[in-house]
Amino acid sequence: RKEVEQDPGPFNVPEGATVAFNCTYSNSASQSFFWYRQDCRKEPKLLMSVYSSGNEDGRFTAQLNRASQYISLLIRDSKLSDSATYLCVVNPLTTSGTYKYIFGTGTRLKVLA
Amino acid sequence: NAGVTQTPKFRILKIGQSMTLQCAQDMNHNYMYWYRQDPGMGLKLIYYSVGAGITDKGEVPNGYNVSRSTTEYFPLRLELAAPSQTSVYFCASRKGGGTGANVLTFGAGSRLTVL
Repeated sequence: RKEVEQDPGPFNVPEGATVAFNCTYSNSASQSFFWYRQDCRKEPKLLMSVYSSGNEDGRFTAQLNRASQYISLLIRDSKLSDSATYLCVVNPLTTSGTYKYIFGTGTRLKVLA
Repeated sequence: NAGVTQTPKFRILKIGQSMTLQCAQDMNHNYMYWYRQDPGMGLKLIYYSVGAGITDKGEVPNGYNVSRSTTEYFPLRLELAAPSQTSVYFCASRKGGGTGANVLTFGAGSRLTVL
């Protein structure tokens, strides 16, 4: 089983739609969770951190379910500019006591006019 | 602040050649990382550093070397380039503590092709 798994998509949605992505992780010792956005041929950029109680940033809502070991990202009122690949990133504590970042392969979103 | 700066942006190497990918950050971040990203794949950690003079291997270190003589610079050396090293390389950094300490900041990437 992969440490972090995402549906690769693509998710093709019309403008204005609501779309949700899930990401599952295997290491229950994971401490921090993030969603990064990556545009084609560009570097990943932080979209939002994911907090235990869930958090919202404008049209974006992130949720964490530790019991089921998944995080989710909800995008409301999709814009053309939301078209990108969304990377799930998990930060487990290693046996050496350091943190490492595990990246999912990403979910590709296309918002259609 | 320039953030994380990588050079070169693009490079074509012949099999067996060597080169160094440069990475510099001006945010005084303690932690620096080198990742590679192959098409359709997630980022794989090559090497990382928790501070000047300290480096450690990641998941895919074979064929690479790093050094961290100062806080600002973290070059990645490819020795005897192989086609399997064709990839996009990203350097990243983060603070050691405080608000936003877990957030990675990436450079724009270096696209390497080995022929």
